[in-house]
Amino acid sequence: EPEVTQTPSHQVTQMGQEVILRCVPISNHLYFYWYRQILGQKVEFLVSFYNNEISEKSEIFDDQFSVERPDGSNFTLKIRSTKLEDSAMYFCASSAWLALHFGPGTRLTVT
Amino acid sequence: ELKVEQNPLFLSMQEGKNYTIYCNYSTTSDRLYWYRQDPGKSLESLFVLLSNGAVKQEGRLMASLDTKARLSTLHITAAVHDLSATYFCAVLFEDNAGNMLTFGGGTRLMVKP
Repeated sequence: EPEVTQTPSHQVTQMGQEVILRCVPISNHLYFYWYRQILGQKVEFLVSFYNNEISEKSEIFDDQFSVERPDGSNFTLKIRSTKLEDSAMYFCASSAWLALHFGPGTRLTVT
Repeated sequence: ELKVEQNPLFLSMQEGKNYTIYCNYSTTSDRLYWYRQDPGKSLESLFVLLSNGAVKQEGRLMASLDTKARLSTLHITAAVHDLSATYFCAVLFEDNAGNMLTFGGGTRLMVKP
């Protein structure tokens, strides 16, 4: 069964550095998302992306965040200048219609 | 405000017993999801509920949706240890486009032998 994949599985970065988290959605899916989960807390929506543009974003997704689909397969989340509070598990998801399929996540640790 | 509340937050139960997890949400929804998460792992889709009165079953888990009460339940029948995980409900509210799901806080289920 096709799966969403994410790289890296764990990223450690220093405060103020830029990070790019990468995702390969399921190939025939048209909708792409980023969610995050701070350790032990609820899952929070960041952004959704359809037809090469952002369709919705949350308050968390401020100017420090950006998303891109640079080619036909990858979907990236960039954090320009990381803060300590950005430490979390970041999940990419994709959907064809109803069901969102989540990737395994990237654990981001900001020191 | 868009809110999704689950209870209980933590549930310890014996194998073989039945129990129900509740998910309340604050305003009209287009659809409701249930996910399972094992420690350190991703979210596994269990059910998508679309309409009032919808009931779906998979193995020992059964989910239902009452849109008038803004309530979904996840019922566990004759629990087994393998069901130990955290269960999340997530709601797509009517005013939100783009599949912006609002998640509940999760119910951590521990099934003891």
